[in-house]
Amino acid sequence: GAGVSQSPRYKVAKRGQDVALRCDPISGHVSLFWYQQALGQGPEFLTYFQNEAQLDKSGLPSDRFFAERPEGSVSTLKIQRTQQEDSAVYLCASSLASGGGEQYFGPGTRLTVT
Amino acid sequence: GENVEQHPSTLSVQEGDSAVIKCTYSDSASNYFPWYKQELGKRPQLIIDIRSNVGEKKDQRIAVTLNKTAKHFSLHITETQPEDSAVYFCAASKGASGGSYIPTFGRGTSLIVHP
Repeated sequence: GAGVSQSPRYKVAKRGQDVALRCDPISGHVSLFWYQQALGQGPEFLTYFQNEAQLDKSGLPSDRFFAERPEGSVSTLKIQRTQQEDSAVYLCASSLASGGGEQYFGPGTRLTVT
Repeated sequence: GENVEQHPSTLSVQEGDSAVIKCTYSDSASNYFPWYKQELGKRPQLIIDIRSNVGEKKDQRIAVTLNKTAKHFSLHITETQPEDSAVYFCAASKGASGGSYIPTFGRGTSLIVHP
């Protein structure tokens, strides 16, 4: 079946612009995660949803970052007033909710802020 | 919060040799330890995982060991092949609200297998 998909795959934004990154999880996966991966680093947790509920957003670096999953499937990560330090790959992952540890990652969106 | 250290950052081996990557974690409540492989420009993919009630797990050429007392776990790859070349990430996690696991990742090990 289809895996996790993300769009766009690449995004170039001028500093100060707003961006929206989309994630389509695997059908039926209840949990959805967003990560930020800087060059040469491991993924860093941003936020987590179970269905439409955002259960943990402790990793969001500032109030410029906002995520939503209004119908419990597709999710959008929005970054307002982008800054150069926001440049990174943004990964989305989905998993079954209860007890399952495996997360299935999307291909990521590479954001470059100029 | 959890802190995961991973070593080495780069590992270069000859085809057929074994490779070992080591990780330590800080939160004794962590109970699920996945390992991900990420090829250049591609998404991370789970290759093996271990839960805290098990000390060792093996899947063909890869194995993972866990020492809960010392809070460290290791990935072992035997008979390495050029296609094993990638960045490997360890992670430590514990159950979060809702039943899922939120992993803390190490910084990654770039494994290079020379033919």
